[in-house]
Amino acid sequence: EAQVTQNPRYLITVTGKKLTVTCSQNMNHEYMSWYRQDPGLGLRQIYYSMNVEVTDKGDVPEGYKVSRKEKRNFPLILESPSPNQTSLYFCASSPPGREFHEQYFGPGTRLTVT
Amino acid sequence: QKEVEQNSGPLSVPEGAIASLNCTYSDRVSQSFFWYRQYSGKSPELIMSIYSNGDKEDGRFTAQLNKASQYVSLLIRDSQPSDSATYLCFTGGGNKLTFGTGTQLKVEL
Repeated sequence: EAQVTQNPRYLITVTGKKLTVTCSQNMNHEYMSWYRQDPGLGLRQIYYSMNVEVTDKGDVPEGYKVSRKEKRNFPLILESPSPNQTSLYFCASSPPGREFHEQYFGPGTRLTVT
Repeated sequence: QKEVEQNSGPLSVPEGAIASLNCTYSDRVSQSFFWYRQYSGKSPELIMSIYSNGDKEDGRFTAQLNKASQYVSLLIRDSQPSDSATYLCFTGGGNKLTFGTGTQLKVEL
């Protein structure tokens, strides 16, 4: 089954404790992206990757890191989480070509930082 | 000014009516336009894409695009309670992807 998976689905952590949210897709998509969703603010892009070893900042990259060492994986790293990073996070991937912007989303990771 | 603007709603329509959802965008580079549906607590799912001016129909859904007015809309005919969700307008131009904040649709029995 074609899908985007994220782990964990739910995470409660404390300020300053490094964490990684994994994202994996099995559709051989080149483009991958991370979003956060907050009430009233909608989906905001954190980072995106056009292909392996190619990443770039989105609209809200502060406090986040990403890497793209393999085509299928695009982990999101919070080196020192803070309460303002409490949010719902989505990973998404897209095929190349005209369908580039047709994104397939993972199930989401609900992160709470206390 | 937000790059993609949507009325947050809620938009309430009776079952069987036509729901009309609207979106304006400011970036003239945008070439691709999409509507996503998101149920509460779930991930967004793509329901319509449109690339050229005019209308595109798919079942009960019609997307309308007017690039000169920088306006894209989604019509849902014969609205059903299962259509109750938040609808996100999304534009793509180059590598930059921008979502609107979404319109909440409620279809009432």
